[in-house]
Amino acid sequence: DAGVTQSPTHLIKTRGQQVTLRCSPKSGHDTVSWYQQALGQGPQFIFQYYEEEERQRGNFPDRFSGHQFPNYSSELNVNALLLGDSALYLCASSLGWGLTEAFFGQGTRLTVV
Amino acid sequence: GESVGLHLPTLSVQEGDNSIINCAYSNSASDYFIWYKQESGKGPQFIIDIRSNMDKRQGQRVTVLLNKTVKHLSLQIAATQPGDSAVYFCAEGSPNDYKLSFGAGTTVTVRA
Repeated sequence: DAGVTQSPTHLIKTRGQQVTLRCSPKSGHDTVSWYQQALGQGPQFIFQYYEEEERQRGNFPDRFSGHQFPNYSSELNVNALLLGDSALYLCASSLGWGLTEAFFGQGTRLTVV
Repeated sequence: GESVGLHLPTLSVQEGDNSIINCAYSNSASDYFIWYKQESGKGPQFIIDIRSNMDKRQGQRVTVLLNKTVKHLSLQIAATQPGDSAVYFCAEGSPNDYKLSFGAGTTVTVRA
């Protein structure tokens, strides 16, 4: 049973560029959430997708956008990258409505130079 | 705003001893709590969760205790092993809110 998979695992981008991160949820899960984890900090909620729509958004600027596909996989896009966007980006999948146990992927380490 | 925090940023434990990791939360509306373990270079790994209608839940070698009166959550690990060395996060969720709010984490180091 495949868990949550994210790609790529590491990425280096230049300030001002755009980046797309990808996530495949755990088999049977239909909800995908994205989190940003700065070094030494806990994960911070970016947004959640359910039924191909953004269901809830955290305190992140519009430069952060996402998408969910019919197969439940998801993308996180970040435009106009800033140095402060350097972080571990985590995808979590869960099932259905409400809060249930969420399983995380290994993350994508984004470095903006 | 709401916040979830841990009492101690680091915890050093002798192998074989029991570990207790504490977490304080401030949102009295939170009704779902979850503990994660994160090893270096990996994503958070689910350990155990508990809902607010319970005050204790047990898993394999782990127990979560919830005290809603003082808004306190703890994770107990029995017979701590070297593989338990990691950063532990508690997270909370509230009704009609789909996000999990995480604290800063407690780093647990197991001494041989």
